[in-house]
Amino acid sequence: QKEVEQNSGPLSVPEGAIASLNCTYSDRGSQSFFWYRQYSGKSPELIMSIYSNGDKEDGRFTAQLNKASQYVSLLIRDSQPSDSATYLCAVNPGGGSYIPTFGRGTSLIVHP
Amino acid sequence: EAGVVQSPRYKIIEKKQPVAFWCNPISGHNTLYWYRQNLGQGPELLIRYENEEAVDDSQLPKDRFSAERLKGVDSTLKIQPAELGDSAVYLCASSPASGPYNEQFFGPGTRLTVL
Repeated sequence: QKEVEQNSGPLSVPEGAIASLNCTYSDRGSQSFFWYRQYSGKSPELIMSIYSNGDKEDGRFTAQLNKASQYVSLLIRDSQPSDSATYLCAVNPGGGSYIPTFGRGTSLIVHP
Repeated sequence: EAGVVQSPRYKIIEKKQPVAFWCNPISGHNTLYWYRQNLGQGPELLIRYENEEAVDDSQLPKDRFSAERLKGVDSTLKIQPAELGDSAVYLCASSPASGPYNEQFFGPGTRLTVL
């Protein structure tokens, strides 16, 4: 069973702070990694994808991947109340299977 | 560009009744996924299509669930008969790629309540 683990939270940060969301995965051969944002009662929305070790930045979002340690993280700079949502980590396993496994998500609350 | 369309958005049925969900993916997206999401959990794959072909349906409860994707565009997911445990949000997603770089775009989902 391929596992994707996330702390369910909630993670509470003040407005303007950096929010750090973490995800670990069990399949060492995993190839691609995605972060989705899901507002309450809405469907997941892709915000970042990362495929190689290191950092990938997109606006206020930075995804970090460390395959040796089998973790991927998402940093949100200058957090806004509108960032309050559940963030889902999804991991594509190796071995030719392109069915992503989703974590259960981390709830983020940004308070004014 | 229009997003993934799903209908209905909400459905309430009694147990043992049949129910069907419809999905229209983003134009040009050959890969289509059906997921089920329970409260507080991540989406779990039910079935994946590449064009008309179901290429991964190992998680689909085949005794009561069925799916089809005629002509490789629209797809329908059916449950017959529904059970109480089927209450969940059913999400359809599509992707322009079939390999590992398969960024997925989700529809709004259908919230199913089985009474």
